[in-house]
Amino acid sequence: DQQVKQNSPSLSVQEGRISILNCDYTNSMFDYFLWYKKYPAEGPTFLISISSIKDKNEDGRFTVFLNKSAKHLSLHIVPSQPGDSAVYFCAASPSPAGGTSYGKLTFGQGTILTVHP
Amino acid sequence: DAGVTQSPTHLIKTRGQHVTLRCSPISGHKSVSWYQQVLGQGPQFIFQYYEKEERGRGNFPDRFSARQFPNYSSELNVNALLLGDSALYLCASSLRAGGSYNEQFFGPGTRLTVL
Repeated sequence: DQQVKQNSPSLSVQEGRISILNCDYTNSMFDYFLWYKKYPAEGPTFLISISSIKDKNEDGRFTVFLNKSAKHLSLHIVPSQPGDSAVYFCAASPSPAGGTSYGKLTFGQGTILTVHP
Repeated sequence: DAGVTQSPTHLIKTRGQHVTLRCSPISGHKSVSWYQQVLGQGPQFIFQYYEKEERGRGNFPDRFSARQFPNYSSELNVNALLLGDSALYLCASSLRAGGSYNEQFFGPGTRLTVL
């Protein structure tokens, strides 16, 4: 049962253009969402997060949008740079009402982003 | 500031053996979580410890166990290794046990190969 899904295994964009990475979830108990970037042979690096009480959070070139009714979030990177090429994971965390595992992150399968110069 | 550290970096074991992986969290972080990542998938939650107590357990067999020490470092133990245990094992630390604005920060991982 894949509770967090990233349906696009890969995305290729030109340098300077916008990259849009998508993520869908099914569990209504999720109320905090995070995006991580991962380079080969390294652990995931935290990028940006959003609480379910918001619909947008911005940090520099990165913006995350949350549509609770659609159970969908997206990460926008503008402008995209070659150094952004990596695997991007979305992750979700349940509310404290979710029980003792409310610190558990549930990850999607990842999207490989390639930014061409 | 030092990030999350893990040891060893790489490990090769044979089926049936036992392995211990170690993790030191970011200074001041009291929660440590363990994840398993196999190729082509996202990390899968194994355990969370907070203030030396187990706070969560993922869908892994009893061959997997962990503990957290008074200095908040942690060990993950896997007994009776199977070929399918070959994966990248990630440790993450955070300030609190969970909730909003409680980002988890990951170490570089331990690559375990079971032959």
